This record gives sequence, C-alpha cells and structure tokens, in this order.
Amino acid sequence: GAVVSQHPSWVICKSGTSVKIECRSLDFQATTMFWYRQFPKQSLMLMATSNEGSKATYEQGVEKDKFLINHASLTLSTLTVTSAHPEDSSFYICSAPELAGGPTVEQYFGPGTRLTVT
Amino acid sequence: GENVEQHPSTLSVQEGDSAVIKCTYSDSASNYFPWYKQELGKGPQLIIDIRSNVGEKKDQRIAVTLNKTAKHFSLHITETQPEDSAVYFCAARRLSGGYNKLIFGAGTRLAVHP
Repeated sequence: GAVVSQHPSWVICKSGTSVKIECRSLDFQATTMFWYRQFPKQSLMLMATSNEGSKATYEQGVEKDKFLINHASLTLSTLTVTSAHPEDSSFYICSAPELAGGPTVEQYFGPGTRLTVT
Repeated sequence: GENVEQHPSTLSVQEGDSAVIKCTYSDSASNYFPWYKQELGKGPQLIIDIRSNVGEKKDQRIAVTLNKTAKHFSLHITETQPEDSAVYFCAARRLSGGYNKLIFGAGTRLAVHP
C-alpha cells in the first residue's frame, strides 16, 4: 500500500515556541491530507483538512491561527503549532487518501508525531 | 452528522480464543466501514474494510460483518495471538460526492494473554 511519512517522530519544545510537523506522501500524490490529534487512551479527532493550493478547512473548535497548515505541494503538508502550551502536548497524526479515479476509498495514516510541550 | 459507537472499550482474551468488537453508526448514508489497528506509539493501520453492498468479508483470521438494517458492524478475530494485542478502531464514512471524513469509534484495547 501507499506510504505516508511524518517528521519528526517526536519533539519536545518549550512553552511559547512554535513547532512544525511535516507529512509526506512517499509514492503517491495527495491533493488532500488530514491532520488528527490523539490524546492518551482516546480516539483520533480530526483537526483539519489540508488542500493543496488552497486554504485548509478546520473542524469546529480548532483554532486556525494556532494550528497553521500549509499544503505546498502534492506530496507535502505541514502543521505548525504556534505558541505551544503544555495542553497542546499530544500525538499528531496525518493521513492521506490515494486518489483512484473514483470516490477515494483507502486512507493511509502516517506514523504520528509525539509533541511534548514543557 | 455521523456518530460511531464502539464496544467494548477493553477486551482481554486467552491466546487462541476469538475476539469480537462491535460498532454502531447513525448515518444510514454511510457505506464504507474500515477497521484500524494501532500499536503503541504508532499510527493506525488498516486491517480490513467493508462496503455496504456486502454483508461479510474475511481475510485469514480477521472477518468483518455488516448489518445495514441495524446499522452495526463487527470485527471478528479468530485464533488470537499475543501480537494481536493493540487498540482497534472502527470507522464509517460515505463514499460519494467528493471526500467525506472518516468518523472513528472510541477504540477497543485488546489484550491477548499467552
């Protein structure tokens, strides 16, 4: 199957700083990518949908000025957590559907990025 | 909007036994139901999926059943092994008119004891 990578796999930052997480589709083009956040022992919560060449669509309750998303190419989307605080500490996972000429079906997930804000 | 409920939240079985995880969904227009396995510190991996035009699908030790009338679907793992221990998530979405987002269940933590 298709592969989605994330970098870094884990990051520790100080409160007030910004952190950038990259999501890449390695062997397919992704015009759409999804960013999820997962707190310990909880399910995946969709934060935003990243669209190549246009603005991201954010889910209700997600601050777009705090979680900046840039989908600069067909294989790369980035999530920047600005002015991070300890409550932003979480597991961030990106995902991308592989277009197959019809309604897209399978959605491939990255390995996740563990963010710890001290 | 769609809502997916998943039960049980935790499941403990002996190696070799079967494990069953159940999910219900609310949106009758949902027609794609994937199951994901997530190991500690990793992203979810698709293990099996089913579309609404079939009632059952099997892949070796894993099977999924779907009851559209009752709006529920289940994951069945037979002959469980310790490496099956993980968190399993069900999900649902529509396959129509663009891309509709996946709605996840709360997850089931499966522990398989040797």
